[in-house]
Amino acid sequence: DAGVIQSPRHEVTEMGQEVTLRCKPISGHDYLFWYRQTMMRGLELLIYFNNNVPIDDSGMPEDRFSAKMPNASFSTLKIQPSEPRDSAVYFCASSLGAGVPLKLFFGSGTQLSVL
Amino acid sequence: QQQVKQSPQSLIVQKGGISIINCAYENTAFDYFPWYQQFPGKGPALLIAIRPDVSEKKEGRFTISFNKSAKQFSLHIMDSQPGDSATYFCAASPGGSGSRLTFGEGTQLTVNP
Repeated sequence: DAGVIQSPRHEVTEMGQEVTLRCKPISGHDYLFWYRQTMMRGLELLIYFNNNVPIDDSGMPEDRFSAKMPNASFSTLKIQPSEPRDSAVYFCASSLGAGVPLKLFFGSGTQLSVL
Repeated sequence: QQQVKQSPQSLIVQKGGISIINCAYENTAFDYFPWYQQFPGKGPALLIAIRPDVSEKKEGRFTISFNKSAKQFSLHIMDSQPGDSATYFCAASPGGSGSRLTFGEGTQLTVNP
């Protein structure tokens, strides 16, 4: 299995631009998580889905952030408009719900820089 | 109350030595405590985890010790190897499912040859 696949690996954009991060979970996994990692705040849960349905989005920082999961094999995290303080590494993780507690498998992340 | 406090921030150990990383929490609803290992440029990977019904769990060279009354848990790496050099994160989650992990700040471990 290829694991969780995230794209792009690196994204550099200018303030005010729209940014879309993409994630392909491990096939068969029914949970998908979006995390953000910064030096100041560490690893933070932004949102997670179960069977493509958002379950908890309380970690989404503000309305500029949105996440979708149109099918079991694809999710996006969109920031519009982007701001310099959004610069971070964004991780996607997936898990199989049949194993509780959930074992999260993380992707390699997207390094986002907003100038 | 949602925080998980981790120490030390960085740790240098000689090859063959014991690495010890500590975490403390306040939220008594937490009932699942995993440790994750992260190498540069990679996402975190689950290393070992414990539930509060046991005080210790061992997997190979890695051991979690859990003190429910003190609300503390720690990771011990025995016979530390240079390949163990990475950042380690403790985490905690309520509800038993592990779906809402709160991570500690991370410990950068360096094992010198």
